[in-house]
Amino acid sequence: GAGVSQSPSNKVTEKGKDVELRCDPISGHTALYWYRQSLGQGLEFLIYFQGNSAPDKSGLPSDRFSAERTGGSVSTLTIQRTQQEDSAVYLCASSFSAWEYEQYFGPGTRLTVT
Amino acid sequence: GNSVTQMEGPVTLSEEAFLTINCTYTATGYPSLFWYVQYPGEGLQLLLKATKADDKGSNKGFEATYRKETTSFHLEKGSVQVSDSAVYFCALRRDINLNTGTASKLTFGTGTRLQVTL
Repeated sequence: GAGVSQSPSNKVTEKGKDVELRCDPISGHTALYWYRQSLGQGLEFLIYFQGNSAPDKSGLPSDRFSAERTGGSVSTLTIQRTQQEDSAVYLCASSFSAWEYEQYFGPGTRLTVT
Repeated sequence: GNSVTQMEGPVTLSEEAFLTINCTYTATGYPSLFWYVQYPGEGLQLLLKATKADDKGSNKGFEATYRKETTSFHLEKGSVQVSDSAVYFCALRRDINLNTGTASKLTFGTGTRLQVTL
């Protein structure tokens, strides 16, 4: 059975460029989460989707960050005009529903902004 | 707001030693508590959970008890193995808001790296 997958696994980009990070959740999971893991901030929540809607976007650090989810499945996190402080590992997780205790995490995308 | 504080690492132990990783939390209401583990080169995995006070979560020889009076959820294992070397994260999730379905996000501690040697 497939787990949560993310692509790319590594992304190096120049400051000021836009990047898109993709997450494929486990089939049938309605809840999807994005987290960021960085040296300075630890593991922090970014945004949560239930189906295609995002009832909680409270963790997005600035308006340069946006995310969407289509078909209740794949999600894309977009960072515009990247800054060096955006360098981090971006983790995606999914769960069968928001009420499920266990969130299943993907391997992450390591983003490096030079 | 909600927060989780865990002991800083790295923690280095010899195989078969006793392990304790401290975790305390601050939260409103009655959160659920979790330990996640990240093995080298792998994604985060749920290790164990406890959803109410005095519950004990256990898995793979690890245990943690939800102590509301001390707001703690310390991770313990009686005899560690080299294969337990990993980064351990304590996390909480506060009560689900039944009206909005929100509050399902996890709040993590900073992680504790465990290195077990022969």
